[in-house]
Formats: sequence, structure tokens, C-alpha cells
Amino acid sequence: AQSVTQLDSQVPVFEEAPVELRCNYSSSVSVYLFWYVQYPNQGLQLLLKYLSGSTLVKGINGFEAEFNKSQTSFHLRKPSVHISDTAEYFCAVSALGNQFYFGTGTSLTVIP
Amino acid sequence: DVKVTQSSRYLVKRTGEKVFLECVQDMDHENMFWYRQDPGLGLRLIYFSYDVKMKEKGDIPEGYSVSREKKERFSLILESASTNQTSMYLCASSLGYVAFFGQGTRLTVV
Repeated sequence: AQSVTQLDSQVPVFEEAPVELRCNYSSSVSVYLFWYVQYPNQGLQLLLKYLSGSTLVKGINGFEAEFNKSQTSFHLRKPSVHISDTAEYFCAVSALGNQFYFGTGTSLTVIP
Repeated sequence: DVKVTQSSRYLVKRTGEKVFLECVQDMDHENMFWYRQDPGLGLRLIYFSYDVKMKEKGDIPEGYSVSREKKERFSLILESASTNQTSMYLCASSLGYVAFFGQGTRLTVV
């Protein structure tokens, strides 16, 4: 089975500052990794995914993430955040594509 | 674009009622999922289905059942709603390695 740990439940950051949201996973097999974003009272929207290839993955809205197999991590980064980035962010892992395991989420608050 | 549609955004039901949450996807996806989202707990898998009439229990199936009579539709059923089932319910579908989500149904049981 797989599991995901998001170490920070809440991350406040000033507008235009950089941010990193941390994600660690556990799995005995190779996995696919995802970050999803959820705006208030909305469903989850795919931000980016790692399936194979380059370990640095770029997503929508200027976000990127780096897959680190040795540290079993998939941290999400953005060099300069905007007010509109305020949302809940979920890291997820899937081994076969037919089950997805999610972390408990990180609430990002961008302060003007 | 993939579209996953949940029939209701908000529902209020009374304790003991039978509740149906409907989900439809328009991309011929094999896999469909029902998750429950609660603050501090993230998303927890209730049931998933990998084909018509096929279903598998997830991590928290107690108090729920599902139905998948057609490939595009996956229904979550609360046989007798209870207040501890007040939550946000999210439906998803996948083909390959990416899951696509509906807008969610916020269910309140009073």
C-alpha cells in the first residue's frame, strides 16, 4: 500500500514571496505522483504530475515540483506567489492508476 | 476537457433518510471513485469501481453502498443517513494515471 504525508497543515506566506509545500510518500513499488489544488467549495484540479522522465515537473499557474526518489519526496514550489494562489493543496500517489492516496492537505494563505 | 458532474452542490437531509449522490463522467473512463473529505483528514476513499457492475471497498465503506449500472454513472448511496456522514463528497474518474474530479457535494445531515 501507499501513503502520503504532508508535513505542513497551514502555510502563510506574503505575496510575491517564494513558497514550498512539502510532501513525502511511502511505497514498496514505483509510483506516480500528483499535486492537486482545491479552491473554496470546489473540486480538485490537477496542478501537475510525475509519471516518468525528468524529475523536475512544471505545472499550471507557475508551480513546479521535484521528484526525489532517494528521499521519497515530491515538494511543490513557486518562486513568487499571488493572492489567487490561496487554496488547499493536496499531494497524491498512485501505484497502478486505479487507486489514488491523498495527503491531509496544506492550506496556503497568501498575505497581501 | 474531461467533465465529471455531480448532481448536487449542496444537500440537506434528515437523519435516517436514504440519500443518493450521483456522478456522471463524459470521457468513457474505466475507473470511478467516491471520496469523503473532512478537515484535517484529507480525502478518504469510500468505494471505487473499475468497470460496470464492479466495485471495491475503499478505506471507509461502512454506512455506504454504490451502484454502477452504466459506465458513465457511479452512484453513492447512504442507506440511512447519520449526522456523522455530514461531509464533502467528491467523485472522480480516471483512465490511465490521472484522476479528474467533480465539483463536490456538500452534504449536511440534520
